[in-house]
Amino acid sequence: EIVLTQSPATLSLSPGERATLSCRASQSISRSLAWYQQKPGQAPRLLIFEASNRATGIPARFGGSGSGTDFTLTITSLEPEDFAVYYCQQRSNWPPITFGQGTRLEIK
Amino acid sequence: EVQLVESGGGLIQPGGSLRLSCAASGFTVSSNYMNWVRQAPGKGLEWVAVIYNTGTTYYADSVKGRFTISRDNSKNTLYLQMNNLRADDTAVYFCARGYCSSTSCHPVWFDPWGQGTLVTVSS
Repeated sequence: EIVLTQSPATLSLSPGERATLSCRASQSISRSLAWYQQKPGQAPRLLIFEASNRATGIPARFGGSGSGTDFTLTITSLEPEDFAVYYCQQRSNWPPITFGQGTRLEIK
Repeated sequence: EVQLVESGGGLIQPGGSLRLSCAASGFTVSSNYMNWVRQAPGKGLEWVAVIYNTGTTYYADSVKGRFTISRDNSKNTLYLQMNNLRADDTAVYFCARGYCSSTSCHPVWFDPWGQGTLVTVSS
């Protein structure tokens, strides 16, 4: 099973700042990675698929990069609504499909 | 508008059975990849099962042999039959469609999602 490790566990930033979230895979997964945003009491929302493709309706301030084992989600200028938990997910050689443990992005 | 609405959750004793439903609107369940994903209270996400438009199914090892994903085309509804439930099955269960970009549909990129239904397995 491919393990995804996200860092940091918690990221404290202010609106307008740049956020950089990391996801590392235990083995190469090419570009088979997605990012989700989840707000309290809500279902997750797909932000990025295939490492760098924005899903429909996702603002341009969200960007994904990486391949192999190291991936990054960047939010260029944080808006108040961006403070949430972010998960990465892989689909290489599935099943199983696995998620990272999440990064909580909180207001500083 | 595409919408998914789960139902059927509740409190169930260990060893019991429960069937979850996911009613879809705005698209046809049988023409899409459909998934169940769960989230234990305060924890992360865990994929449970997928059913293809062809009817092919795949399961997480943790539920294989106990859970069955299916659909009713006439009701445009997805189901998850859960048998021999255990305490560690306690979670919010979300249904989610395989995401369709402008060029193709992907079985296990998940979007949209329903709001979830809580299953609590406890004596």
